[in-house]
Amino acid sequence: DADVTQTPRNRITKTGKRIMLECSQTKGHDRMYWYRQDPGLGLRLIYYSFDVKDINKGEISDGYSVSRQAQAKFSLSLESAIPNQTALYFCATSGTGARRWEQYFGPGTRLTVL
Amino acid sequence: RKEVEQDPGPFNVPEGATVAFNCTYSNSASQSFFWYRQDCRKEPKLLMSVYSSGNEDGRFTAQLNRASQYISLLIRDSKLSDSATYLCVVTYSGGYQKVTFGIGTKLQVIP
Repeated sequence: DADVTQTPRNRITKTGKRIMLECSQTKGHDRMYWYRQDPGLGLRLIYYSFDVKDINKGEISDGYSVSRQAQAKFSLSLESAIPNQTALYFCATSGTGARRWEQYFGPGTRLTVL
Repeated sequence: RKEVEQDPGPFNVPEGATVAFNCTYSNSASQSFFWYRQDCRKEPKLLMSVYSSGNEDGRFTAQLNRASQYISLLIRDSKLSDSATYLCVVTYSGGYQKVTFGIGTKLQVIP
């Protein structure tokens, strides 16, 4: 089984709808991240969490919110989806200590907002 | 100037060739550096960390040049399976935490 899973894998929705993307991990990592990837822009950090009680905004948090329900679960919400949120979304995890920035990614969620 | 810059390529090389990619970064206080590999429409996967003294993993060699603010990835004896996009990652952990990905360099190894 994959260490980092994301659901759904694909989603098509309409402008204005609320969407939740979920991420679960079995790696026992404390740190979790949400990124989006757009052609020509690379991966950009949306939110990150270094433990269950810690939530931090990333580079492009506007229009997004997150919830860290447990060490293993980190969900991303789009409160009112808009077409420019169409992208490939990745969840990632990392441990602590000297390897705290070595990230392990989920398979991604392809989101289309019409 | 972008915080992390990579030549997007594509680099088309024959099997067996040696190829090198560079990645420049703008924050001189950056602390950790990585190379990731991403296959088309798949998730990025950690290829190797980049240490100050340089490091090697099989056919792959990574180096860091702090004075000129770039990291490099050298691939020797290219295989068809090396075809992918290689992402450079730079992190900063000071008063705030920041991780920045480059847009990636696409490599196509040709038979």
